[in-house]
Amino acid sequence: AQKVTQAQTEISVVEKEDVTLDCVYETRDTTYYLFWYKQPPSGELVFLIRRNSFDEQNEISGRYSWNFQKSTSSFNFTITASQVVDSAVYFCALSELYNTNAGKSTFGDGTTLTVKP
Amino acid sequence: EAQVTQNPRYLITVTGKKLTVTCSQNMNHEYMSWYRQDPGLGLRQIYYSMNVEVTDKGDVPEGYKVSRKEKRNFPLILESPSPNQTSLYFCASRLGGKNTEAFFGQGTRLTVV
Repeated sequence: AQKVTQAQTEISVVEKEDVTLDCVYETRDTTYYLFWYKQPPSGELVFLIRRNSFDEQNEISGRYSWNFQKSTSSFNFTITASQVVDSAVYFCALSELYNTNAGKSTFGDGTTLTVKP
Repeated sequence: EAQVTQNPRYLITVTGKKLTVTCSQNMNHEYMSWYRQDPGLGLRQIYYSMNVEVTDKGDVPEGYKVSRKEKRNFPLILESPSPNQTSLYFCASRLGGKNTEAFFGQGTRLTVV
């Protein structure tokens, strides 16, 4: 069965610190897709990144970077030089190709990141 | 502007009083889903729809109904709400299948007393 584990329930850092949010997944499928979403205090869910299981290249977007490692079933998210505006709940999600529910992603429980000034 | 619109944003109701939360998307997406978000449980899928008149149960469908009569609309119906359905609800749509990201509505915070 598919499962996404975000072991860090809450993380608190001081502004300008780097922080890594962990995501470990389980799947029987060889083809799958991983996502990260951000939920700021205002409550909406915002898409950050998508990665497919065949593409293990790390990605960097400004202060954000993602490290995908199939060998450890992990898709970790690092924020460099964190800012107060990064304070949010971050969700990692998984979609499996074989799953007949084409509209579904399985979400982790989320990591609440607090960046203090 | 591409968006998913949910209404209402906030709702307090009493046990047993039928209610409907509307969801509409303007992106011509085929796939739509409803999720509920509860502390420590992440987002759990309630129902999903792959196209007009095609709906199916997600992980936690008990106590909910949906319909998809038009591509853009996917209302969530609680026929007889109970306090354990107090939650934050999100509607989501996606263009294609599993490789596409979901667009979420603003959320509906429902309290059943």
